[in-house]
Amino acid sequence: DAKTTQPTSMDCAEGRAANLPCNHSTISGNEYVYWYRQIHSQGPQYIIHGLKNNETNEMASLIITEDRKSSTLILPHATLRDTAVYYCIVRVATGANNLFFGTGTRLTVIP
Amino acid sequence: GAGVSQSPRYKVAKRGQDVALRCDPISGHVSLFWYQQALGQGPEFLTYFQNEAQLDKSGLPSDRFFAERPEGSVSTLKIQRTQQEDSAVYLCASSFPPGTAYEQYFGPGTRLTVT
Repeated sequence: DAKTTQPTSMDCAEGRAANLPCNHSTISGNEYVYWYRQIHSQGPQYIIHGLKNNETNEMASLIITEDRKSSTLILPHATLRDTAVYYCIVRVATGANNLFFGTGTRLTVIP
Repeated sequence: GAGVSQSPRYKVAKRGQDVALRCDPISGHVSLFWYQQALGQGPEFLTYFQNEAQLDKSGLPSDRFFAERPEGSVSTLKIQRTQQEDSAVYLCASSFPPGTAYEQYFGPGTRLTVT
């Protein structure tokens, strides 16, 4: 699986959009971009994934650049409950591949 | 519905003791994963089951670590002769591949402290 690079930490004001970047310059054509988050003392939680097109669900939006070498996770209206470590993972979405988490971005939402 | 559950949530063991950590996956989920998460780090893969078959155990750090899933449902991670470096949160995840999404559902983890 391709390696990802994320900032160590970010702050965001409550109610504003949180934009979390991820670089994955060595991504292969059959690898998807996945985002998980881990709130303190909980297990990781799936957020969203995509291949080429931008994706949106009830939690977040995922913007993938045309060359697929980077992506941005957008939380449109951050709340205090969104404070967590966010992991960007690239992987083939078939078979039984485990997840390579890295160290992620620690997002702190400030009141 | 019920999510992935793990027990115990916290375990303190003296160095040299054996421990057993239990994972109850979501009913019907074929795949089950174990991860180890050291303090301040992301989770790291230990082992993977498809039903009762252990298909990948490449992440197990030593032969003191053993995992089983005899009936393809509940899984147990056993650590023999625990060492201080085994102190970590042990996470279990399960999944049932719905097409290509293949998201994993995680339990809350078991925090193991070896003294």
